[in-house]
Amino acid sequence: EPEVTQTPSHQVTQMGQEVILRCVPISNHLYFYWYRQILGQKVEFLVSFYNNEISEKSEIFDDQFSVERPDGSNFTLKIRSTKLEDSAMYFCASSRGSYNSPLHFGNGTRLTVT
Amino acid sequence: KQEVTQIPAALSVPEGENLVLNCSFTDSAIYNLQWFRQDPGKGLTSLLLIQSSQREQTSGRLNASLDKSSGRSTLYIAASQPGDSATYLCAVIANTGNQFYFGTGTSLTVIP
Repeated sequence: EPEVTQTPSHQVTQMGQEVILRCVPISNHLYFYWYRQILGQKVEFLVSFYNNEISEKSEIFDDQFSVERPDGSNFTLKIRSTKLEDSAMYFCASSRGSYNSPLHFGNGTRLTVT
Repeated sequence: KQEVTQIPAALSVPEGENLVLNCSFTDSAIYNLQWFRQDPGKGLTSLLLIQSSQREQTSGRLNASLDKSSGRSTLYIAASQPGDSATYLCAVIANTGNQFYFGTGTSLTVIP
């Protein structure tokens, strides 16, 4: 069964550095998302992406964050000037449709900012 | 803002028992509700999706119900097995956007 893949599985970075988290969504899906989960907290929405542009973003997704679909398969989340509080599990997800299709998640990238 | 709550936070049952997990949400204007399973260190696996016009969905030993007007959903697991041990999350998508709002989850342990 097709699945969403994320790399790396674990990323350690120093405060102030930039990181890029990578995702390959399921190939026939049209909607792409990033969510994050700080340890012990709820899964939180960051951004949704459709037709090569951001369709919705949360207040967490400020100028420090950006997303890109550089080619037909990859979907990336860039975090500039990382802070300690950016440490979390970042999940990529995709769906075939927007409202009535199930979300399929990757296994996540654990980001640790030191 | 939509708030999603799950009760109980943790549940431990002997193998073979039937059990119910609860999810409540504050804003009934939703498109759908989805139940997920999360294993430690892993992503979320979609279990069931209920459209706002539906009352329930079934998949194998799982049955999810939705009462949109009262802001509640339940996930019923029949004849629980140790392999069912995981955290179960519910999430709703509002009809004003396309983001899911997640609950904090119920951590289920099924004892052999």
